[in-house]
Formats: sequence, structure tokens, C-alpha cells
Amino acid sequence: AQTVTQSQPEMSVQEAETVTLSCTYDTSESDYYLFWYKQPPSRQMILVIRQEAYKQQNATENRFSVNFQKAAKSFSLKISDSQLGDAAMYFCAQLFMEYGNKLVFGAGTILRVKS
Amino acid sequence: GAGVSQSPRYKVAKRGQDVALRCDPISGHVSLFWYQQALGQGPEFLTYFQNEAQLDKSGLPSDRFFAERPEGSVSTLKIQRTQQEDSAVYLCASSLLVPPYDNEQFFGPGTRLTVL
Repeated sequence: AQTVTQSQPEMSVQEAETVTLSCTYDTSESDYYLFWYKQPPSRQMILVIRQEAYKQQNATENRFSVNFQKAAKSFSLKISDSQLGDAAMYFCAQLFMEYGNKLVFGAGTILRVKS
Repeated sequence: GAGVSQSPRYKVAKRGQDVALRCDPISGHVSLFWYQQALGQGPEFLTYFQNEAQLDKSGLPSDRFFAERPEGSVSTLKIQRTQQEDSAVYLCASSLLVPPYDNEQFFGPGTRLTVL
């Protein structure tokens, strides 16, 4: 089954604090890619960070980092020093190469940032 | 262009009408994808082109949905005899090469289709 699960429909964080968004996935592929996308109200989907499954090291992009647990099929996103501009819908996604190079997305987590 | 563009941004159709949604990918991008995003949900894959070849159309929900990319650049998603359940945001994405070797997909702003 090609499933990506985000169990947190909504999260809130105080400005300058740290928040972690959860994601689990299900795959039989040995090599794959995982992504976090941000979608603000304007609807433009923006890539936040990506992880290649064969790489042991967790990906980091400035204030954004992931905790990739391959055995547990878990891929969480940590946002440090949260800013008002981080408020958006966040989607976890997996690239399924075996099934036509498509992205399969989770249902999303709404992140609210309080000032 | 600087990014993926889609037109129109908003489309209202009466049930039974045909609609055509356009996607202009980033110039030179080989791969093009269409996704459907229902309100409050994650995008769902519809179809994938590599240049002009439609390599995967497994996500198209019915034979009323048709996509083409005749010259390997601009793509059109056509929906015939629209139904209320077709109401959604339709997202287009492109990537420079073929996944997974260049797997970043750049998304357009989407077309919001409302079927009355």
C-alpha cells in the first residue's frame, strides 16, 4: 500500500519556539525519497526539505531539520525558532518510483504560529 | 518563465460543462505532473508526462478526465461533463529531469474548479 500518514491535523507553536510535525509512511521499496512541502494560503506548494532513504544523516535546511527513522518508517519535521511566516499547511510526501514517479502526500498538518 | 504557471486561477462551471485547465511548466523541464487537491486534503496524483509521452495516467478518476502535452511543454487537463465531485484545486508540477535523478517538483499556484 502506498500510504503516508500525518496524525496531527493541527499544531500550534509560540513564536521563537520549536515544533515537531509527525509523519509515517509505508513502502516496500528499498530506496526512496521523502519530502516536506509547505502550502501557505496562496496555495503555492514549496519544498521545505528532502531526505534520500539510503543516506543515514538527517537532512537539515537552516531552521528546518528532519528525524528520519528508516526502520520505524518515520519522518518528522522539526522547525526551530518558529516565525510567523512559517504558518501554513505542511505536507509529508514520498516519491514512489515503482509506481510512475508520483508523489504520494499525507493529509497535512496546519501549523499556527502565535506571536 | 520564472516558475510554473496555471490558468485560469479560478473556474466556475455548471454541472455537465466541459472545462480545460492549462499548465505552463518551467522552460526545459522534462517531467510534468497533475495532482487533484480536495478541500482540506493532500494532493492526489492524476497523471505524469515525460516530454510529450504520457507515461502514467493511473490516477485519472474517470474517462471524463483527459490530459495532453502535445509538444512536450504546455499541458492541458480537460474534464468533460463536469460533476460536483470534480470540485477541487488542480495542481501542476514540473521537474527538470526524470525522477529520481532530479526529484524536486516545482508546483504551480493551482486552478480552483467549482462545479455548481
